[in-house]
This record gives sequence, C-alpha cells and structure tokens, in this order.
Amino acid sequence: DAKTTQPPSMDCAEGRAANLPCNHSTISGNEYVYWYRQIHSQGPQYIIHGLKNNETNEMASLIITEDRKSSTLILPHATLRDTAVYYCIVGGGANNLFFGTGTRLTVIP
Amino acid sequence: DAGVIQSPRHEVTEMGQEVTLRCKPISGHNSLFWYRQTMMRGLELLIYFNNNVPIDDSGMPEDRFSAKMPNASFSTLKIQPSEPRDSAVYFCASGSGRPDTQYFGPGTRLTVL
Repeated sequence: DAKTTQPPSMDCAEGRAANLPCNHSTISGNEYVYWYRQIHSQGPQYIIHGLKNNETNEMASLIITEDRKSSTLILPHATLRDTAVYYCIVGGGANNLFFGTGTRLTVIP
Repeated sequence: DAGVIQSPRHEVTEMGQEVTLRCKPISGHNSLFWYRQTMMRGLELLIYFNNNVPIDDSGMPEDRFSAKMPNASFSTLKIQPSEPRDSAVYFCASGSGRPDTQYFGPGTRLTVL
C-alpha cells in the first residue's frame, strides 16, 4: 500500500527551517499530497495538502515538484513543539489515506 | 468547536469482556473513520462511514469487531469478545468535502489483560 517514501528520522535546530522530503513517484493525476503529523500520545493532526501548485498556510508550506513525483514540507521556524512524526500521504478519496511510518522530526534546542 | 470527542480515554479490561468505544464527530462533518494504532502495525484504517452509512469495512480485523453510526453525531466501535492482541490506541476521525482532510480525536487507549 505504501505510495510514499520518507526518511525515517531528521533533526532540526530550533528556529531554523525544517524541510521534510517525500517521494511519491507513482502518484496519479487525481491524487492529492497530504501532510499530517502526530505529536506523542496525540491523534494525528492535519497540516496541509496540495494537488499541483505550491501551498502555504499558517502552519507550513508545501512544495510539489513539477512532475509531482516528490514534495517537501517546510516548517519555516521550527520550535520544540514541532517535534513529531510527520506523515506524507498520497490519496484521492476518503478511504485512501495510508499513513505509513513517516519521518520522526526532532527539534533540538 | 470542541473537535472530535472520544470516550473513554483509557480502558482496561479482561480478555473475553465486551468493549465499546464512542466517538462524537465534528458537527457538520459527513465522514467518520475508525483507526487502530500499534507499534507493530502503525496506524490502520478499520472502517469508514459516509453520511452514517458504512462504506468500507475491509480493515475490520474479524467478526469480533463491529461499528455503528446511528446518527450524524455518534458512532461506536465494539469488540466482543476482547483479546489481548486488541490492545492498541483507537482513533476516531471525521471529515467533509473533497479532498478529504481528516480531524482526529485524542484516541482511546485500550488494554486487554
């Protein structure tokens, strides 16, 4: 079921930008890229999603390559509270969110 | 908005007992999802409802698991009889629209002894 590939872990210094990569080379034309995160002992939290264009909201920016085979989630100024597991998910429907193993981001003081 | 509400937050029971987990989705959302999370298997979708109707229950492990959504504001996930391997955190999520973004509750941590 895995449609995405993410590094298992990353570190980022507090205050710096965190850039989390995701490969989704088999993405189909009508599938979106979603990012969620899960802070320890909490339920997953929606961050952002996109189809073709780059997207930005109050939490993060999503950069999708022109061929749509990869994307990067950017947390512009990481804080300690951003330490979490980040899931990159590709899907096009309600039952199509396969969470995988994600990237464990640790923000270092 | 209070978000997705789940109860109980923690449940400890003995093998063979019936367990009922409850979920109140966000008002106005028309999709509801039940997930299970374990260290070994990660986050797995068990079942999802759209407009109170079960659409896909292929993730339900076996007949011991059942889920209902009698109205738009309430859903239950029942395990009868429970087994130690059912120990996990069970999440409920709700969503609306396309593309679907899902909003998760805090989860119920189930321990079956």
